[in-house]
Amino acid sequence: QVQLVESGGGVVQSGGSLRLSCAASGFTFSAYGMHWVRQAPGKGLEWVAFIRYDGSNKQYSDSVKGRFTISRDNSKKTVYLQMNSLRDEDTAVYSCAKEYTDHVEYFQHWGQGTLVAVSS
Amino acid sequence: EIVMTQSPTTLSVSPGERATLSCRASQRVSNSLAWYQQKPGQVPRLLIFGASTRATGIPARFSGSGSGTEFTLTISSLQSEDFAVYFCQQYNDWPLTFGGGTKVEIK
Repeated sequence: QVQLVESGGGVVQSGGSLRLSCAASGFTFSAYGMHWVRQAPGKGLEWVAFIRYDGSNKQYSDSVKGRFTISRDNSKKTVYLQMNSLRDEDTAVYSCAKEYTDHVEYFQHWGQGTLVAVSS
Repeated sequence: EIVMTQSPTTLSVSPGERATLSCRASQRVSNSLAWYQQKPGQVPRLLIFGASTRATGIPARFSGSGSGTEFTLTISSLQSEDFAVYFCQQYNDWPLTFGGGTKVEIK
C-alpha cells in the first residue's frame, strides 16, 4: 500500500531554514508527481508546491515562491522541500501528497505530516 | 489565482438529516473539483473527484454535483462518523487552491 512518511520538521527562528523530506513506498515513485500541502494550526489546507515525476515541471504557491524549493531523488524515492527565509506564517503541519496521475492533481494519498514551528 | 469559497462555514445537522455543502470558484474550473473530509488529528480523506465521482470505498450517501463555478457536496443521511470538516479543491489550473472548509457539526 502507498506510504508517505515526512521528516525534518522542528522549531526554527524567523529567517531560518529547514529541509523537509518525504519518503515514499508502495508505488512506482518515479512515475508520479508529488506535492507539499500545509495546514496551519486550526486552519484550512494550503497547497504549497509540486514537482512532476521527472522533475521537469515545478509549481509553487505565491506565498512561498522564491523562498521554498521542491526537489526529488527518484533513486531514493524521496521528495524534499527546502524552506528558506521562514516567516511566522509558515508555521504549519507540512504533508506530502501523491498526485492521482500525470496532469491530474487531486490527492488520494497523504502523509501524516511534520510540524514546522517558526518562532520570532 | 482561482479563489474557492465554501459555504456555510458551519452547518448544524441532526443525524439522519441531509446536508448540503457549497463550493464556488472565482473562475471556471470545468469539472476539476475534488472534495475531502477531515476529522481532528487525521489527514484529509478523498471523497469525490471530477466533481461527481466517488472515490474508492466512499459510501453512496455522499454525492457531488456541479460544473464550471458552482459545486455541491450532498450527504443524504448523516451518520455519526460524518461529522467533520469538508474541503473542496480545484485542480484545473495552477496554483491549486482549496476552499476554506465547512464544519458539519451535530445539531
